[in-house]
Amino acid sequence: NAGVIQTPRHKVTGKGQEATLWCEPISGHSAVFWYRQTIVQGLEFLTYFRNQAPIDDSGMPKERFSAQMPNQSHSTLKIQSTQPQDSAVYLCASSTTGLERLFFGHGTKLSVL
Amino acid sequence: GDQVKQSPSALSLQEGTNSALRCNFSIATTTVQWFLQNPRGSLMNLFYLVPGTKENGRLKSTFNSKESYSTLHIRDAQLEDSGTYFCAADEGGSAKLIFGEGTKLTVSS
Repeated sequence: NAGVIQTPRHKVTGKGQEATLWCEPISGHSAVFWYRQTIVQGLEFLTYFRNQAPIDDSGMPKERFSAQMPNQSHSTLKIQSTQPQDSAVYLCASSTTGLERLFFGHGTKLSVL
Repeated sequence: GDQVKQSPSALSLQEGTNSALRCNFSIATTTVQWFLQNPRGSLMNLFYLVPGTKENGRLKSTFNSKESYSTLHIRDAQLEDSGTYFCAADEGGSAKLIFGEGTKLTVSS
């Protein structure tokens, strides 16, 4: 079991560029979550999918952020026109159905210059 | 925010000693999870709790839903226990977790 896989581990973008972050959940897990971690805000929920369907995106900034889950083996988080305040560690997690133990990937550290 | 409050914010222990971390909740929650984030940043799930107590090796955790708190007890602390411990509560029984701000634990020899 490889765990939750996130790529890339680090991403550096210039202000105004687009960033796409990838996540492969644990095989057999139907719930996939995205969280963001910063020193100031801590760990914040962004969005989650169950059986590839978006269930709750209440934590997603309304502009520039979008998430998809085109198939059961991967999800993407896309940030358009990145801003310095988007710099954070973006964490993907999965669980069996959404209401059990949550397993996190190593995260993608996004730095917007 | 204040929905999940962890204490203390930082803690230093000598190897071999015991301690307890605490989370207080001001939201309705049905389950609690505890995580350890190691110095490299990886978040490891330690416990998933419904009301009650679980034990795993030198770690023991309790979730008291009536009094809205959870505790994590560490027995015989080891150097590898160092890191930041987070508790997280589900928001009203949903899958969305609200995290506390963490307790940074340093174990020294």
